[in-house]
Amino acid sequence: AQSVAQPEDQVNVAEGNPLTVKCTYSVSGNPYLFWYVQYPNRGLQFLLKYITGDNLVKGSYGFEAEFNKSQTSFHLKKPSALVSDSALYFCAVKGGNEKLTFGTGTRLTIIP
Amino acid sequence: KAGVTQTPRYLIKTRGQQVTLSCSPISGHRSVSWYQQTPGQGLQFLFEYFSETQRNKGNFPGRFSGRQFSNSRSEMNVSTLELGDSALYLCASSLTATHRTDTQYFGPGTRLTVL
Repeated sequence: AQSVAQPEDQVNVAEGNPLTVKCTYSVSGNPYLFWYVQYPNRGLQFLLKYITGDNLVKGSYGFEAEFNKSQTSFHLKKPSALVSDSALYFCAVKGGNEKLTFGTGTRLTIIP
Repeated sequence: KAGVTQTPRYLIKTRGQQVTLSCSPISGHRSVSWYQQTPGQGLQFLFEYFSETQRNKGNFPGRFSGRQFSNSRSEMNVSTLELGDSALYLCASSLTATHRTDTQYFGPGTRLTVL
């Protein structure tokens, strides 16, 4: 069975500093990896996905993610955090013929 | 292009009642998935429909059911509501159900409160 781990429930970053939200996955076969963001009382917004090719994927709002096959990781990054980046972030994986499986989420707080 | 829409946005019901939630996918999308989101359990997959057929189902009791219409709109129904059914119910649409690379786009959700 496939799974996703987001080891940090909460990440605090000062405004202007780089941010990283961690994600590791387990799946049989090729992984298809996604990042979503959720603002309060809203649905999930798609940020980016990794299918194949370049290990560095660029997405919306200046976010990017690095795929590392040997470490089975797909960490979300941004060079300079904004207060408006404060939200709940979900990593998800799809492999084989299985459904999209989400991690438990990481609450990112950007401190002004 | 309009996004995924869900109605109603908020619902308050009492235990034992039943509820129907509606989801209209992005135009051209044929796959609709439903998720339950709660603080304790996170995002849990309910079911997925494609071309009016249920393709995948999560581990929820039979009180949770769904269907998809020929225009790809989907409804989910919860019968005999329990307090634990209080949650944000999210609908997501994608172009197909067969391409693993397809992105799911989410609606704003329906907040169900069971009293």
